[in-house]
Amino acid sequence: AQSVTQLGSHVSVSEGALVLLRCNYSSSVPPYLFWYVQYPNQGLQLLLKYTTGATLVKGINGFEAEFKKSETSFHLTKPSAHMSDAAEYFCAVSGPTGSYQLTFGKGTKLSVIP
Amino acid sequence: DAMVIQNPRYQVTQFGKPVTLSCSQTLNHNVMYWYQQKSSQAPKLLFHYYDKDFNNEADTPDNFQSRRPNTSFCFLDIRSPGLGDAAMYLCASREDAKNIQYFGAGTRLSVL
Repeated sequence: AQSVTQLGSHVSVSEGALVLLRCNYSSSVPPYLFWYVQYPNQGLQLLLKYTTGATLVKGINGFEAEFKKSETSFHLTKPSAHMSDAAEYFCAVSGPTGSYQLTFGKGTKLSVIP
Repeated sequence: DAMVIQNPRYQVTQFGKPVTLSCSQTLNHNVMYWYQQKSSQAPKLLFHYYDKDFNNEADTPDNFQSRRPNTSFCFLDIRSPGLGDAAMYLCASREDAKNIQYFGAGTRLSVL
C-alpha cells in the first residue's frame, strides 16, 4: 500500500521568497514520485518526477525536488516565488511496475503575496 | 496543442438525470484513467482502461460506468447523479511502460 502526506494545506509566501512544499510518502516498493500543479478550474500539469538515479530532480518553472529515502520525503522547492506560482500543488506516488496508479496527497494551496 | 481533451468543460445536470462526460486523446496512449476530484480534495481514481481491459476501483459506486469505443476516446457515464456526485472529473492517459500520466483540463459537473 502507498500513501502520501502533504504537510500544510495552505502555504503563503511573499513574492521573491523561497517556496517549500513538504511531501512525505509511504511505500512498500521503490517509489516513483511526482509533483503536479493545478491552476483554478484546470487539470493537473506535471512539474517534475523522480523514478531512479539522481535524487535532485529539476522541473519546469524553476521548481526542483529532492528524493530523500532515509526521510521518506520528496519536498518541492523554488528559490524565488512569482505571482504566477499561486496554485494548488499535489504530490503523488506510484509503484515502479504494473498499472502505475497514482496515489495523491491532499494538496497544498500556495498563495503568493505581492 | 491540447493532447487530452475533455468535453464539455462545464456540465450541469439534474438530480437523477443520466449524464455522459467525454475524453479524447491524440497521443495514441493505450491506458486511460478517470478521476473524481471534489472541492479541496485530492483526485480519486474511479477506474482505468488498459487497452480494452476495464479496471474498476473497489470503492467506485455502481452508478459510475465507462466506455472506451476506441483508443482515442473514453466516456464516463453517471447513470443517476446525486448531489454528492458534483465534482471535477479528470481524464488522463499514459503510454504503456512509461510512468507519466497526462491530464485533461477536466469537466466540472454540477447537479441541481
